[in-house]
Amino acid sequence: DSGVTQTPKHLITATGQRVTLRCSPRSGDLSVYWYQQSLDQGLQFLIQYYNGEERAKGNILERFSAQQFPDLHSELNLSSLELGDSALYFCASSAVQGNTIYFGEGSWLTVV
Amino acid sequence: GESVGLHLPTLSVQEGDNSIINCAYSNSASDYFIWYKQESGKGPQFIIDIRSNMDKRQGQRVTVLLNKTVKHLSLQIAATQPGDSAVYFCAEKPPTSGTYKYIFGTGTRLKVLA
Repeated sequence: DSGVTQTPKHLITATGQRVTLRCSPRSGDLSVYWYQQSLDQGLQFLIQYYNGEERAKGNILERFSAQQFPDLHSELNLSSLELGDSALYFCASSAVQGNTIYFGEGSWLTVV
Repeated sequence: GESVGLHLPTLSVQEGDNSIINCAYSNSASDYFIWYKQESGKGPQFIIDIRSNMDKRQGQRVTVLLNKTVKHLSLQIAATQPGDSAVYFCAEKPPTSGTYKYIFGTGTRLKVLA
């Protein structure tokens, strides 16, 4: 158990809908990262937050947004969902920028 | 764009043998590297890391070797066990000012044969 908690573990929704994925980082970790992993693809970096502020942005679609709250948990919002958004979404956290990042078990999103 | 690649998408080894998983990284200035193990349906699990000022680091049954000259990283697993069957990713951290993004490879699937 990495200490990073993600909910929900599985989610099935229809195209055009909006979902929110939630992440609680390891105790004491200030940085939160979101990654997308599609079938047969590697981890694609979406966005990073550090102590509530956005710090780095990857290939995150405009339909997607995220935030980190004062209690350091983070949410990834996916809207106007398309079939191609079906993927595993991982949250990860680290204590200080540049240190090892630890992953949660992921949220499996299926868009039908 | 930058990417981290793996030479072998699938590696099959006999139980008890040693496994070597290779990774070519892209940025010669990357200063930190991690190997992760991902079992089916689970999140990537940290195995071992190494900083660029080292060329070898050992853990429990695992060794990571870093060759900066050819931008190559390898993971050696001693006495491979059935529980080692998984996908293994390498990741590099390019040096950036204030922010950073790890670059992950697509992974190598390790199959342990009984």
